[in-house]
Amino acid sequence: QVQLQESGPGLVKPSQTLSLTCTVSGGSISSGDYYWSWIRQPPGKGLEWIGYIYYSGSTYYNPSLKSRVTISVDTSKNQFSLKLSSVTAADTAVYYCARAALTADLDYWGQGTLVTVSS
Amino acid sequence: SYVLTQPPSVSVAPGQTARITCGGNNIGSKSVHWYQQKPGQAPVLVVYDDSDRPSGIPERFSGSNSGNTATLTISRVEAGDEADYYCQVWDSSSDPVVFGGGTKLTVL
Repeated sequence: QVQLQESGPGLVKPSQTLSLTCTVSGGSISSGDYYWSWIRQPPGKGLEWIGYIYYSGSTYYNPSLKSRVTISVDTSKNQFSLKLSSVTAADTAVYYCARAALTADLDYWGQGTLVTVSS
Repeated sequence: SYVLTQPPSVSVAPGQTARITCGGNNIGSKSVHWYQQKPGQAPVLVVYDDSDRPSGIPERFSGSNSGNTATLTISRVEAGDEADYYCQVWDSSSDPVVFGGGTKLTVL
């Protein structure tokens, strides 16, 4: 059974960089059959796709966030990471990592982690 | 960018059938996925590739997709089906992953 777990600071100051890591267990990031994704959900609002990465390092980002987002992968640790720069209060959200199959269906999700942007 | 439109809310009595729509330009040509999200929980995939069900998802959940509308149908609705439902597509031409705004299903 594949499991994903997000980790990182729950509080980030405005203008700083949000950094989160997703650790995958029960399956290998290097399997090649999946994209590894980040999605966020502001409190009381809907889901927003941030981007995803293939094990080779190829990335695809939401155009609305592309200038501020970097997703990377560490296959040796079976982890992938998210960096979002120049954050504002509008970036306050629950951040989820998830596994996406080839038609981008997100079949396994982490439990989510709330990141609050506040001074 | 590609836009998916869902009704904000749908209400249904227990035992009846709920239908949640997802509208998009020529959505019938894309693969549509549906997620159920209960309060405080991560979303769960309930239908993928228009009409397939992941293992463990009851047969009461089904999907269809044609023209400009995809539909998630929940038969014999139970109180435990009360949740937010999101549609999602993969659109290789622009944003690879797009979500609808979500529909709150209320079981009366």
